[in-house]
Amino acid sequence: EAGVAQSPRYKIIEKRQSVAFWCNPISGHATLYWYQQILGQGPKLLIQFQNNGVVDDSQLPKDRFSAERLKGVDSTLKIQPAKLEDSAVYLCASSDTSGGGETQYFGPGTRLLVL
Amino acid sequence: AQSVTQPDIHITVSEGASLELRCNYSYGATPYLFWYVQSPGQGLQLLLKYFSGDTLVQGIKGFEAEFKRSQSSFNLRKPSVHWSDAAEYFCAVGARGTYKYIFGTGTRLKVLA
Repeated sequence: EAGVAQSPRYKIIEKRQSVAFWCNPISGHATLYWYQQILGQGPKLLIQFQNNGVVDDSQLPKDRFSAERLKGVDSTLKIQPAKLEDSAVYLCASSDTSGGGETQYFGPGTRLLVL
Repeated sequence: AQSVTQPDIHITVSEGASLELRCNYSYGATPYLFWYVQSPGQGLQLLLKYFSGDTLVQGIKGFEAEFKRSQSSFNLRKPSVHWSDAAEYFCAVGARGTYKYIFGTGTRLKVLA
């Protein structure tokens, strides 16, 4: 079974530029999560999708971050414009909540450096 | 409110020694509990999880964890550490029915040869 796929793996941009990350969850997983992991900290949930609807985006900085999950499969997270403090690893995870599963499976992450 | 505390930021052990990583949580009911491991430049890999039942949980790579309700703890153990276990370990708490986790700040494990 293929795992959660993310791209790109690394990205370097200058502040005020825009950037987008892509995630493809495990096949059949209804729930998709985006996390931000700042160096030295645990992952922090940014947004949770159930199929193509948003369940929780309370910690998403909506003035600069946006995310979508069209057709309930792949998802894209965008930052526009980026700030220095957005430097972090962005992790995507998915879980099979339609089957009652509570376990989240993580992708390898995208490491973002904002200069 | 839910919270997770991993009191040890760094732990160093010698190869072959035993290991215990601490995790304490705050939650109004019995939560779901998880341990993940993150190697440098990698995503998080699930080591083990506790949902209900037997409070001693076995995981991959020889790890186990014990849920102690009275102490609100879910400590991770391994009887003999290998050099390849050097990584960062995260404890997470999940609120039942919400499918959301809160992560601790992690414990970075260093293994001496």
